[in-house]
Amino acid sequence: GQNIDQPTEMTATEGAIVQINCTYQTSGFNGLFWYQQHAGEAPTFLSYNVLDGLEEKGRFSSFLSRSKGYSYLLLKELQMKDSASYLCACRLLYSGAGSYQLTFGKGTKLSVIP
Amino acid sequence: DGGITQSPKYLFRKEGQNVTLSCEQNLNHDAMYWYRQDPGQGLRLIYYSQIVNDFQKGDIAEGYSVSREKKESFPLTVTSAQKNPTAFYLCASRTTGTSSYEQYFGPGTRLTVT
Repeated sequence: GQNIDQPTEMTATEGAIVQINCTYQTSGFNGLFWYQQHAGEAPTFLSYNVLDGLEEKGRFSSFLSRSKGYSYLLLKELQMKDSASYLCACRLLYSGAGSYQLTFGKGTKLSVIP
Repeated sequence: DGGITQSPKYLFRKEGQNVTLSCEQNLNHDAMYWYRQDPGQGLRLIYYSQIVNDFQKGDIAEGYSVSREKKESFPLTVTSAQKNPTAFYLCASRTTGTSSYEQYFGPGTRLTVT
């Protein structure tokens, strides 16, 4: 079966750095997404990793280790607006080029406090 | 403006009634998806469609039905057979070009069945 684990909740201080971890055990793994979701709203894309290593995009960075089944999202210089849920999702390739599904973790609710 | 629209944002129904949730996109995307989100849970895939007139069951298709008669539209019917229909429903789409894997999400419909 597919299994994706993330911490349920995290709290961090404005201006600090926080790392949200995601571990996965899946078959057909072909990449990992991070999405941000504010309460009651649609998820919005943050990053996509398919190769091992770190991808940096402004205040957000994402890391992937395929051999360890591990990823993390790093948020720097935290702002109050970063309070949201962060969803880890594995791209699973089924059959045919471009044919895939996303399997989501349960999400990590991040609270940024002053 | 290109995007995905879901209407209405909030929907209330009595138990035993079928209800159809709309999803329309003008992004010219081939693939469309329906997810369900419950409190404290990740997104779970209900149905997806790679092309017009074709769709596949996801992980939790029981009690739901879909159609894909037009590229831009992918309505979801929640039938009376769905035991716990109250949830937040999200529609997503993506291009099936192999260089792009990001799914774009609509704003969601919160369905309450009493």
